[in-house]
Amino acid sequence: DAGITQSPRHKVTETGTPVTLRCHQTENHRYMYWYRQDPGHGLRLIHYSYGVKDTDKGEVSDGYSVSRSKTEDFLLTLESATSSQTSVYFCAIGKDRTTYEQYFGPGTRLTVT
Amino acid sequence: AQKVTQAQTEISVVEKEDVTLDCVYETRDTTYYLFWYKQPPSGELVFLIRRNSFDEQNEISGRYSWNFQKSTSSFNFTITASQVVDSAVYFCALSETQGGSEKLVFGKGTKLTVNP
Repeated sequence: DAGITQSPRHKVTETGTPVTLRCHQTENHRYMYWYRQDPGHGLRLIHYSYGVKDTDKGEVSDGYSVSRSKTEDFLLTLESATSSQTSVYFCAIGKDRTTYEQYFGPGTRLTVT
Repeated sequence: AQKVTQAQTEISVVEKEDVTLDCVYETRDTTYYLFWYKQPPSGELVFLIRRNSFDEQNEISGRYSWNFQKSTSSFNFTITASQVVDSAVYFCALSETQGGSEKLVFGKGTKLTVNP
C-alpha cells in the first residue's frame, strides 16, 4: 500500500470556523491532490500540487486553499467552513507524468454544523 | 474538456452472476489513460487498472476483465461470477493534461450490490 495518511480522519466543526486537513506521504511522489466526494457527484478535484510550493486550482476550489511547503505534506484549509463543505475529503498522490496513476489516502469525514 | 459518464448509478445482482459496468468517455487528447477504481463499503479507494489509449487489447485479471474500445469511446468492466465481496462503488477515470500537470477526471460511480 502507498504510504499516505490523512489527519484527522473525522472532524465535526461549526460554521465559520477555520479547518485544516493534512495529507502526509512517505513515497516522495511529486504530485498531490485533494478531492471531495459527495453523493451523486463522484470525486471532484479541489486543488492539486505538482511540486513544493507549486499548486493550482481544480474543479471546485472556491472556499479552499492549499499549501505545500515540503514534498511529503499537502495541507487543505477551509478558511471559514460552511455546511456545503460537509463531505468526505480524499488526498491522492501521483508519481510522475508517465502513468497518471494516483493512489488515495483513507479519507477524512468532515461535518460542518 | 474531458468527461466520463457512468450511466448506471446502481446495479444489483445475485452472487455468481456476471455483471458489466459501463464507462463512456470524451476527450480530445490523442494520448490518454483510463482507469478503474474500487471503493468498498469501508471507504478506501483502490486502484484496479490503468489502460493507455494505444493499447486496445482486452485485459483479464482473475474474475475481472476490461474491454477498451476506442471506436465507441468505452472502457467497460466485467466481473465474472460475482461475489459478495465485489459489492462496492466503482469509478471510471480519464487522464487530463492541463498546463503540464496530471489530473484525473472521474465518473460519478456505479454502486454494485452483490446479494448472496
